[in-house]
Amino acid sequence: SQQGEEDPQALSIQEGENATMNCSYKTSINNLQWYRQNSGRGLVHLILIRSNEREKHSGRLRVTLDTSKKSSSLLITASRAADTASYFCASTRGGTTDSWGKLQFGAGTQVVVTP
Amino acid sequence: DTGVSQDPRHKITKRGQNVTFRCDPISEHNRLYWYRQTLGQGPEFLTYFQNEAQLEKSRLLSDRFSAERPKGSFSTLEIQRTEQGDSAMYLCASSLVKGATEAFFGQGTRLTVV
Repeated sequence: SQQGEEDPQALSIQEGENATMNCSYKTSINNLQWYRQNSGRGLVHLILIRSNEREKHSGRLRVTLDTSKKSSSLLITASRAADTASYFCASTRGGTTDSWGKLQFGAGTQVVVTP
Repeated sequence: DTGVSQDPRHKITKRGQNVTFRCDPISEHNRLYWYRQTLGQGPEFLTYFQNEAQLEKSRLLSDRFSAERPKGSFSTLEIQRTEQGDSAMYLCASSLVKGATEAFFGQGTRLTVV
């Protein structure tokens, strides 16, 4: 079973607009990560937020984490056509060291940015 | 190229045949993961290694699937007696074990069972 669920499943916006997608998870986590996947390709790591952090920025990306609601959001500002991809959240479960590395993914949000 | 590499990139096989995929992780990474991904879905965890030890195997994985990482470097994933339902993208990733670190993914092996 998958740990995370992204919302919305699909998002279509125009260049320059902001894209926001949300992720909910089920169990306690050590950290939550966001990945991007272009069609038919491997996943590329975007940003990692630890369970004791609430917000993090990286370039045009902003991630928030609300552990009380078991949710995270990814904001892409000033989107570009090149941002067209699927975006996945993935978390590592809280607990023993052995569980730190096992990433559990949601089903993803497919983002289309039109010029 | 110092990233994660997977071989082959594409594999077409007849139902009932065995297939083996290879993954070469980033050299200093001691954790290696295998995931399977079908169209429109997120990656589904299969198994992972820390060095040569296989720490966890998904309960969803049938006995036809086996993975090895004999010297703690590259890994192989074998599927015996392939079925059409095995058609998917098989992704390998690696990471460091200490702390909370990102995983680096290969480009995947796309398996088609006909």
